[in-house]
Amino acid sequence: NAGVTQTPKFQVLKTGQSMTLQCAQDMNHNSMYWYRQDPGMGLRLIYYSASEGTTDKGEVPNGYNVSRLNKREFSLRLESAAPSQTSVYFCASSEVLRRERIHEQYFGPGTRLTVT
Amino acid sequence: EDKVVQSPLSLVVHEGDTVTLNCSYEVTNFRSLLWYKQEKKAPTFLFMLTSSGIEKKSGRLSSILDKKELFSILNITATQTGDSAIYLCAVLNQGAQKLVFGQGTRLTINP
Repeated sequence: NAGVTQTPKFQVLKTGQSMTLQCAQDMNHNSMYWYRQDPGMGLRLIYYSASEGTTDKGEVPNGYNVSRLNKREFSLRLESAAPSQTSVYFCASSEVLRRERIHEQYFGPGTRLTVT
Repeated sequence: EDKVVQSPLSLVVHEGDTVTLNCSYEVTNFRSLLWYKQEKKAPTFLFMLTSSGIEKKSGRLSSILDKKELFSILNITATQTGDSAIYLCAVLNQGAQKLVFGQGTRLTINP
């Protein structure tokens, strides 16, 4: 099992360029998440998908779009990158969080994005 | 708006010391509180706490939740340099199916 994989690991963009961050999980999880992590800010939720076919905004969705392509894959798109989007991006997956016994989110290794 | 606040934001101690990390929260429909450790890359799960007053323990790490006062603490005894990491607290909103994270505490253990 690879767990949660993300590509690319690093990316440098110029302001206004677009790109898609890819995420896949092989644990048959229903829910998937995109976070960004900035110094001193912890993890902030961008978008999430509670199940295949649904997506919802998180805390900081502006400037991003997502696609839950199938149960395995959840991509994050920056249509027109801005320097404020320089961050480390983490994808995560979990079983349905409503069930108390299913609580753990598994994180991917992260993508370090720099926008100049 | 759901909020999770951790303190201190940064802590530097010597190997062998005991540390206590704090997490307070204001969340509608609280379900559970989770602690994660983040070293170089992705956060890894430590504990989940749902009931008040019940201590969760794993080796030198332990955690307890106070649902009346809306906080949790994470204790690490006999710290080692390998405990150096960012410790993240997150709270599960029962209805929303999502975790709300605090800012994290950066813990540095000096030899």
